[in-house]
Amino acid sequence: QKEVEQDPGPLSVPEGAIVSLNCTYSNSAFQYFMWYRQYSRKGPELLMYTYSSGNKEDGRFTAQVDKSSKYISLFIRDSQPSDSATYLCATYNNAGNMLTFGGGTRLMVKP
Amino acid sequence: KAGVTQTPRYLIKTRGQQVTLSCSPISGHRSVSWYQQTPGQGLQFLFEYFSETQRNKGNFPGRFSGRQFSNSRSEMNVSTLELGDSALYLCASKGLDSPGRGELFFGEGSRLTVL
Repeated sequence: QKEVEQDPGPLSVPEGAIVSLNCTYSNSAFQYFMWYRQYSRKGPELLMYTYSSGNKEDGRFTAQVDKSSKYISLFIRDSQPSDSATYLCATYNNAGNMLTFGGGTRLMVKP
Repeated sequence: KAGVTQTPRYLIKTRGQQVTLSCSPISGHRSVSWYQQTPGQGLQFLFEYFSETQRNKGNFPGRFSGRQFSNSRSEMNVSTLELGDSALYLCASKGLDSPGRGELFFGEGSRLTVL
């Protein structure tokens, strides 16, 4: 079992839809959670960074962590074609020196 | 502020050859990590260097090695290339003010194809 699991998609939605992207993780000691966005032929870029349980909002993006169920979510409101990318969840190991990534979910937002 | 720069961007090698990839981190960043990205395995951690010392290593064979120079630039080397080494190799740097955790800034990667 991988430490961080993510549905690979692709997920196709119409422009303006609310998108929900999800990850599960296996190690209950993980505390730092990140969402990266990766456009085709580019490196990943950080979208959201959260610590422990709860919600964090940044513009159209909301990251949610539920430690009791070891579940991480990213919500995108009013999705745009420019949001079309692969979204990767990640978490730091206990020592804080290695990021473990999920496999990524490919999102396509159609105009 | 310049981002993470990786060279070369694309390269083609044959089985048995070796390859060296280069990474220049963001100015002032002392931590450099390398990741391998493939469609099947996703992003996998190779190793991290901080102040010329390898601090952490992922689960890759000894054919994968790296080093960091005094100016924080880093290189990784893969010897005796195998077909399965075809991947996008990503370098990421982290700032001095975020020890341990903090944001990783990724380069655009070096895409290696092994024939």
